[in-house]
Amino acid sequence: DAGVIQSPRHEVTEMGQEVTLRCKPISGHDYLFWYRQTMMRGLELLIYFNNNVPIDDSGMPEDRFSAKMPNASFSTLKIQPSEPRDSAVYFCASSLGLSGLSSYNEQFFGPGTRLTVL
Amino acid sequence: KNEVEQSPQNLTAQEGEFITINCSYSVGISALHWLQQHPGGGIVSLFMLSSGKKKHGRLIATINIQEKHSSLHITASHPRDSAVYICAVIRVSGGGADGLTFGKGTHLIIQP
Repeated sequence: DAGVIQSPRHEVTEMGQEVTLRCKPISGHDYLFWYRQTMMRGLELLIYFNNNVPIDDSGMPEDRFSAKMPNASFSTLKIQPSEPRDSAVYFCASSLGLSGLSSYNEQFFGPGTRLTVL
Repeated sequence: KNEVEQSPQNLTAQEGEFITINCSYSVGISALHWLQQHPGGGIVSLFMLSSGKKKHGRLIATINIQEKHSSLHITASHPRDSAVYICAVIRVSGGGADGLTFGKGTHLIIQP
């Protein structure tokens, strides 16, 4: 398997523009996570899905952020309108399970999308 | 106070030294991850554990659930071990588990 795939790897845009980040999880994984990493706050969970259904979006910073998972093999994170403070690396991760005791629940991370909003 | 605290924040050591990175958490968890992030930015899961100890090569991770503490050890450290090591917990709250909550990371540099 190619692992978790994210696109684009780098995105530079101007304030006010719409930004769409894409993620393809590992086939068969039921959980998909979107994380954001900044120097100030480190890694933060934004939202996660189970079987394409959003379970917890309490980490989504504002209404400008939205995430969808139309099918088991694709998810998007959209920022509209973008602002300079949204500049960060956005990671997508997937796993077979979530809680529990086994490596079944290990999360596999994509390479990240480095977003710069000017 | 952060729910997940790591120490030290920065660590510089000589090649061959035994390294210990600590993680303390204040919430109920179902599992704890140790992640490695290399300078290129990619994140790799090293361990996921909920009790006892796990070993993989020169890496050892331990967890004490009662004390809410985990350690990551690196034996015979090597410059290629230089990376940021991140502790992350899967919190258990309310009706189920949440996603990962991360520590701030430990920036490790191993000098030749």
